[in-house]
Amino acid sequence: DAGVIQSPRHEVTEMGQEVTLRCKPISGHDYLFWYRQTMMRGLELLIYFNNNVPIDDSGMPEDRFSAKMPNASFSTLKIQPSEPRDSAVYFCASGVQETQYFGPGTRLLVL
Amino acid sequence: GENVEQHPSTLSVQEGDSAVIKCTYSDSASNYFPWYKQELGKRPQLIIDIRSNVGEKKDQRIAVTLNKTAKHFSLHITETQPEDSAVYFCAASNSWGKLQFGAGTQVVVTP
Repeated sequence: DAGVIQSPRHEVTEMGQEVTLRCKPISGHDYLFWYRQTMMRGLELLIYFNNNVPIDDSGMPEDRFSAKMPNASFSTLKIQPSEPRDSAVYFCASGVQETQYFGPGTRLLVL
Repeated sequence: GENVEQHPSTLSVQEGDSAVIKCTYSDSASNYFPWYKQELGKRPQLIIDIRSNVGEKKDQRIAVTLNKTAKHFSLHITETQPEDSAVYFCAASNSWGKLQFGAGTQVVVTP
């Protein structure tokens, strides 16, 4: 099993551009989580899905952020328009019940 | 919601000594307590977890203890080695699968 797969691994973009982060969870896992990690705020849960349905999006910073999970093997996190304060490492994690396994992360830099 | 506090924020130990990290949680409904290790530039990796029906769990040089009455749990690393140097995160979850992470402990093992 390849584990959780995320792409791209690194993204550099300019303020105002749209950014799309992608995640492929571990096969058979029914939970998918999106986190953001910064030095100042630590690990923050943005949104999570159960069986492809969004369960809790209370961590999504604002309307510029959106997430979808069209099927059990794919999810996207979109930022439009991006801002410099969105610079962070974005992790996707998948799991069965409470146990979560993290992907390698996408390091996003918004200039 | 759940609030998890983690201490200390940094911990420096001599190789071969023990390290202890402590966490407290606020939600008495929490029943799952994982610990993650994150090396610099890498993903958080699950190293051990404990559920509320167990008071202690060991895996080689690491152990976790849980005191449900006091609402605190601890990670113990014995015979520390340089490769134990990393940031360690505790977390707590109720049955809904949503993890609340502590702020992290930077552990430095000096030879």
